[in-house]
Amino acid sequence: EVQLVESGGGLVQPGGSLRLSCVASGFTFSSYAMSWVRQAPGKGLEWVSGVNSGGSVTPYADSVKGRFTISRDNSRNTLYLQMNRLTADDTALYYCAKKFSATTGAFEVWGQGTMVTVSS
Amino acid sequence: EIVLTQSPGTLSLSPGERATLSCRASQSVSSSSLAWYQQKPGQAPRLLIYGASSRATGIPDRFSGSGSGTDFTLTISRLEPEDFAVYYCQQYGSSPLYTFGQGTKLEIK
Repeated sequence: EVQLVESGGGLVQPGGSLRLSCVASGFTFSSYAMSWVRQAPGKGLEWVSGVNSGGSVTPYADSVKGRFTISRDNSRNTLYLQMNRLTADDTALYYCAKKFSATTGAFEVWGQGTMVTVSS
Repeated sequence: EIVLTQSPGTLSLSPGERATLSCRASQSVSSSSLAWYQQKPGQAPRLLIYGASSRATGIPDRFSGSGSGTDFTLTISRLEPEDFAVYYCQQYGSSPLYTFGQGTKLEIK
């Protein structure tokens, strides 16, 4: 069974940092691009960042550029999101998602998400 | 930057009726780069349609996607009780790399 399991969320003060992890199973992780997508409470979906299969290409949304860093460890089947200088606007449920294929940008598989709350 | 606008914001229908959801892009989107998702409360989004018209694995054939250029449509031919949810369209490839619409809530009338 294809599965993505996120962890690392929690309560953090404004200006703080947090690192999210997403462990993949049931597919060849190293062959697929991955992304982080977030959803603020009661709001819609916002793509945050992505990484290609090899880890060398890492685009970001403007809202997080310079503060967040995406990375992956293909030997551990794990995707990461290092989040620095967090603000209240970063409060959201963070999902990791598997890209459908090299040519299709849809997100075929999603994790259940990990909640990040930025508050003093 | 491509902006996706979904309409209506809320659609109230009864089981058995046909639902038509719209997604309009601020500039032309490749048909191969348009997807639709369903999200139920407390759940992660679920891929329904990719490439504007291809159903994802396990998606019932009452769901269909169509459109090209700037106008795309998700149609649910006969609503089942489990279809009442929020639906999002998504484009891939233009800056920003991924964009989602704001969502259409499909509620029971």
